[in-house]
Amino acid sequence: GNSVTQMEGPVTLSEEAFLTINCTYTATGYPSLFWYVQYPGEGLQLLLKATKADDKGSNKGFEATYRKETTSFHLEKGSVQVSDSAVYFCALSDQSGGYQKVTFGTGTKLQVIP
Amino acid sequence: EAQVTQNPRYLITVTGKKLTVTCSQNMNHEYMSWYRQDPGLGLRQIYYSMNVEVTDKGDVPEGYKVSRKEKRNFPLILESPSPNQTSLYFCASSSPATNEKLFFGSGTQLSVL
Repeated sequence: GNSVTQMEGPVTLSEEAFLTINCTYTATGYPSLFWYVQYPGEGLQLLLKATKADDKGSNKGFEATYRKETTSFHLEKGSVQVSDSAVYFCALSDQSGGYQKVTFGTGTKLQVIP
Repeated sequence: EAQVTQNPRYLITVTGKKLTVTCSQNMNHEYMSWYRQDPGLGLRQIYYSMNVEVTDKGDVPEGYKVSRKEKRNFPLILESPSPNQTSLYFCASSSPATNEKLFFGSGTQLSVL
């Protein structure tokens, strides 16, 4: 079956530091890849997505590139802010079975300190 | 405003007392699903529904029931809750028009004593 592995947290960074959260996946088909963000006390919301190999998703200064050769979708941001403190989930969506099956990673908590 | 609404937000109950967590979406989405979130395990799918009267098991369906009598509603039913069902629950919806993007509710924190 499909699976998503992301780096364990928590990750603590100082404001304006560079962020990388690693994510690798295993899938039998050609999934779409996502990063979702969960702010404290809220539900998940889509941060960015990529639907095919070499696509780059970007939003709010975050970027991730769909790398089929390394089965990876690492999240990066050049300069984090305190407001970026949240839990980040890597996910893949597979529709090869005739329905949308979404598999999530375990989540990585990011804490940005001033 | 387009949204997925879950109720209640917090729930404390005792073992064996039947409960229902409601989920409603106002976006006319065909696809709805329930997840539970546990530390170190991420989100795991409990049940999903492709449309009215079409439901199927996800990865962790034991101890849960669902129904989809109307397109907008997808309640989660715990007939006889147990302490291992203490968790944070999320409802989500999507449709072909959302290009695989899931819309999530704000969550229900359930504690079973």
